[in-house]
Amino acid sequence: EVQLVQSGAEIKTPGESLRISCQTSGYTFSSYWINWLRHMPGKGPEWMGRIDPRDSFTTYSPSFQGHVTISIDKSINTAYLQWSSLKASDTAIYYCARSTVPAAPFDNWGQGTLVSVS
Amino acid sequence: QLTQSPPSLSASVGDRVTITCRASQGINNYLAWYQQKPGKAPKLLIYAASILQSGVPSRFSGSGSGTDFTLTISSLQPEDFATYYCQELHIYPHFGGGTKVEIK
Repeated sequence: EVQLVQSGAEIKTPGESLRISCQTSGYTFSSYWINWLRHMPGKGPEWMGRIDPRDSFTTYSPSFQGHVTISIDKSINTAYLQWSSLKASDTAIYYCARSTVPAAPFDNWGQGTLVSVS
Repeated sequence: QLTQSPPSLSASVGDRVTITCRASQGINNYLAWYQQKPGKAPKLLIYAASILQSGVPSRFSGSGSGTDFTLTISSLQPEDFATYYCQELHIYPHFGGGTKVEIK
């Protein structure tokens, strides 16, 4: 069974750093890109960026470029989303989701991680 | 940009429900639909505008090409009350604002 299991909810203050994780299992990690999405109440999800586990090549949405970093640890089939300095406006639920290629649909998602910054 | 309509609707079990998604420019059939229930992650229903994802009930169907797309639920079931999103399949993907399907 394909699973993407995300780390737990976080409560932070502005200016703090944070790294959340997405541990995958049930499939070949290198065969699927990992995407990160932000979801704020009452809006559609927003795509933040993706990483190719084969070579760690990353692509970011212009809206998030420079504010977050996506990385992986292939030894434990895990992807990460990291902030160096959180803002209150980063408060949201964050999802990881896999796709076969960059323009493919997201066929499996993590359960979401609530990040609260205040 | 993707515009969904209506933003919300009320329907009864057994109703036929149609949700539309309009793209600001032609996107061929590069569109997916997702269902999201409260507290859960979105679930892929349809991709390439009309292809049903494995395991999704056949009462769900999608159609359209270019700028106008529809998601149809032929006979609404209790488990279908949720929010539905369309998504452009692009190297920089983006989503519509959602349609919440509520119980009448």
